[in-house]
Amino acid sequence: RKEVEQDPGPFNVPEGATVAFNCTYSNSASQSFFWYRQDCRKEPKLLMSVYSSGNEDGRFTAQLNRASQYISLLIRDSKLSDSATYLCVVRLSNDYKLSFGAGTTVTVRA
Amino acid sequence: GAVVSQHPSWVICKSGTSVKIECRSLDFQATTMFWYRQFPKQSLMLMATSNEGSKATYEQGVEKDKFLINHASLTLSTLTVTSAHPEDSSFYICSAIRQLSNTEAFFGQGTRLTVV
Repeated sequence: RKEVEQDPGPFNVPEGATVAFNCTYSNSASQSFFWYRQDCRKEPKLLMSVYSSGNEDGRFTAQLNRASQYISLLIRDSKLSDSATYLCVVRLSNDYKLSFGAGTTVTVRA
Repeated sequence: GAVVSQHPSWVICKSGTSVKIECRSLDFQATTMFWYRQFPKQSLMLMATSNEGSKATYEQGVEKDKFLINHASLTLSTLTVTSAHPEDSSFYICSAIRQLSNTEAFFGQGTRLTVV
């Protein structure tokens, strides 16, 4: 079983729509969770960390469900510039190694 | 601006040759850097952990004699793909941890290697 699994998508949504997707992780000892954004042929960039209580950053909302071992990302009022691949990333508490999901592709159309 | 710089951004080489990729932390010291490889439509896969002043730690299935890692200073790690073959063609990315309160990982720009 992969350490981090994501629905690859693609999610094709119109501008202004809301899109949400999840990722699941296999190691219950995982302590840190992140969403990264990766544009085509570019390096990943941190979108937001995911905290236990859930957190919001502008139009982006992240949730963590430790019992079910999944993380979610919701994008409100989608913009064309939100088109990208979103990577779910997990790290163990005492290890700087990151485990990446394969990414969820989001395409926002005009 | 970028805090981790990776060079070259792309390289094309002939089978059998070696390619060196550099990863530099620009405004912080990184005792640990990581090297990843990403094939199309796949996740980033950790290849090895580069430790300053000591040997790299390789993930299972990664040949240490083929992927040579040198971390000679606190700001520079290099990955050398030796005797490259077409199946080594991939996107190679390094990252370094800046140890602030959130220990965020920063990534280099990546190197697209094509072996012909």
